[in-house]
Amino acid sequence: DVKVTQSSRYLVKRTGEKVFLECVQDMDHENMFWYRQDPGLGLRLIYFSYDVKMKEKGDIPEGYSVSREKKERFSLILESASTNQTSMYLCASSFGGNQETQYFGPGTRLLVL
Amino acid sequence: RKEVEQDPGPFNVPEGATVAFNCTYSNSASQSFFWYRQDCRKEPKLLMSVYSSGNEDGRFTAQLNRASQYISLLIRDSKLSDSATYLCVVTPSGEDKIIFGKGTRLHILP
Repeated sequence: DVKVTQSSRYLVKRTGEKVFLECVQDMDHENMFWYRQDPGLGLRLIYFSYDVKMKEKGDIPEGYSVSREKKERFSLILESASTNQTSMYLCASSFGGNQETQYFGPGTRLLVL
Repeated sequence: RKEVEQDPGPFNVPEGATVAFNCTYSNSASQSFFWYRQDCRKEPKLLMSVYSSGNEDGRFTAQLNRASQYISLLIRDSKLSDSATYLCVVTPSGEDKIIFGKGTRLHILP
C-alpha cells in the first residue's frame, strides 16, 4: 500500500513565523506535489517536483518555497506566515509521468493567527 | 471557459437511486481523465480512471465524451457511504501538471 505521511495534522502558528510542512512517501515515487485546498477554490497547486533537488512552480507559489533533498521527502516552507495562508495543505506523490495516479497524504490544517 | 468545470452541488439523492454528474474540460487535446473521491475532512483518493471506451467498476461507471469535451460519473443503487465530494481530474496534453476540478458534493439521504 502506498503511504504518504505528513508531519502534522493540525498546526497553529503566528503571523511572521517560519513554518515547515514535511511530507514523506514510501513508494519510491519520482513526483511529489504540494497543494492547498480552500472552500470554493478547490485544490490549487503550489509547487511540484519531478526529481531530487528539482522543483517547479505551480499555480500559486507566492509566499512559499520547497525543498527536496531526498527522493522520499518533500518539504513546504512558509517563509513568513500570513493569515491568508490559513488553509488545508495536501501533499501528493506519483510515479513518473503526469498520467499517473496521485496518492495524497492526510493533510495538514494550518491556522495562522 | 474554465479549464475544468464541475457543478458544485450538493446533489441530495435518496438511497438506492441512480445519480450522475458531469465534468467539462476546455483543452481538446487533454489526454488522461480521472475521478477522485474526497470524504469530509479527508484526503482525495482515486476512484477510477476514465478510458475512451468507458470504465465500469461495480456500481460506478465513468465515460468520456471527447466530441463534447466532458466526462461523466454514474452511480447506481447509491449507498449512504457514497456521500462525498467527487473531483474530476484532467491531464492536458503537453503540460506537466494535472488539473483538479473543484468537486461535486453528493449527499445520499436515508
